[in-house]
Amino acid sequence: AQSVTQLDSQVPVFEEAPVELRCNYSSSVSVYLFWYVQYPNQGLQLLLKYLSGSTLVKGINGFEAEFNKSQTSFHLRKPSVHISDTAEYFCAVSAHSGGYQKVTFGTGTKLQVIP
Amino acid sequence: GAVVSQHPSRVICKSGTSVKIECRSLDFQATTMFWYRQFPKKSLMLMATSNEGSKATYEQGVEKDKFLINHASLTLSTLTVTSAHPEDSSFYICSARAPRGKTGGFTDTQYFGPGTRLTVL
Repeated sequence: AQSVTQLDSQVPVFEEAPVELRCNYSSSVSVYLFWYVQYPNQGLQLLLKYLSGSTLVKGINGFEAEFNKSQTSFHLRKPSVHISDTAEYFCAVSAHSGGYQKVTFGTGTKLQVIP
Repeated sequence: GAVVSQHPSRVICKSGTSVKIECRSLDFQATTMFWYRQFPKKSLMLMATSNEGSKATYEQGVEKDKFLINHASLTLSTLTVTSAHPEDSSFYICSARAPRGKTGGFTDTQYFGPGTRLTVL
């Protein structure tokens, strides 16, 4: 079984300041890691993903995340946020269990960018 | 590519009625789709895995007779909430695994539909 922990339910940050959204996971098998963004009353949009290779992954909208296997973390970062980044961010873990893929989502972190 | 649509985007119904939600993969074939439920200020909860041409695989605690899933074609999966009650009010989201392209098969990346807001009065 796998699990995802997003420690911060809300993160307020001033516009143009850097931000880090934390994500830790646990799994008994190899996993793939994802970050999704959800705007109000919309579905989820893929920001970035780690499948293999370089541990630093760059995504859309200037976001990046680093996979740290020893710390079982996949924190999301952006050096300078914009008002438009205000949204809910979900970290997700994908693993194969019982012959099929299962994705587990964290509880989400609401990023609030303050003008 | 890999666009997933849902219809309707919003539905309001009376208690006791049934509601059908459609999930379509617009530019690719999806042999497997997933249905999630999202409660206010909560994460996504996987309800079931929808498999084209076979029965859906439901997660523990999800009532099969309550949430009927039909994956009749490679581009369409439907979720029917039968005899809906106010506690079924929620945001329902579907997803599909993105195709791998020329090499065939599917990736582990899921693409999500825009969601359906169900309100049961």
